[in-house]
Amino acid sequence: QVQLQGSGPGLVKPSETLSVTCTVSDGSISTYYWSWIRQPPGKGLEWIGHIFYTGSADYNPSLRSRVTMSVDTSKNQFSLSLSSVTAADTAFYYCARRRARAGVNWFDSWGQGTLVTVSS
Amino acid sequence: DIQMTQSPSSLSASVGDRVTITCRASQNIDNYLNWYQQKPGKAPKLLIYAASSLQSGVPSRFSGTGSGTAFTLTLSSLQPEDFATYYCQQSYSPPLTFGLGTKLDIK
Repeated sequence: QVQLQGSGPGLVKPSETLSVTCTVSDGSISTYYWSWIRQPPGKGLEWIGHIFYTGSADYNPSLRSRVTMSVDTSKNQFSLSLSSVTAADTAFYYCARRRARAGVNWFDSWGQGTLVTVSS
Repeated sequence: DIQMTQSPSSLSASVGDRVTITCRASQNIDNYLNWYQQKPGKAPKLLIYAASSLQSGVPSRFSGTGSGTAFTLTLSSLQPEDFATYYCQQSYSPPLTFGLGTKLDIK
């Protein structure tokens, strides 16, 4: 059973860059797509984007200008950077594994969520 | 973007009840629809994928139906551990989008 563990600073200042990392254990990162999804406290879920182990990535257009994802296969990790943050970016940031079959894709394993607060 | 509309937004029910949650897509999404359960302070958990396929380890009292624009999640006999928030999610067209959730609580 693959395990995902997110990590990152809990507090980021406005206009700075938010960075979170997800470590994959009990499974190789060199298969599947790996996703980031966020959830402001008490609100709904927003897909940020996903990345393949080759580095090929796709982002939500609403965040594309500020998002960069990367993968480090030697560490079995993938990461999210979100630049020029504001209070609206305060959220739980979840990493998840994306599975697919016949074009349908879903998130079958999730990290525990990393709360990032944007505040001065 | 494809908009996902869930109803009701909240629901009160009792242990043993049969409950149905509806999710509607703003356009045809075939069977590209998944359901998740989220409990307070926890990550979402996959219940149903491809509209009707039960994820491994999920109890058979959960079932999903639908195709096109209208989908339902049914809990056949509520158990105490089922009180949570449920989300639908489409994967037909990026960006992947979620419904706003249905909060199921104890009557």
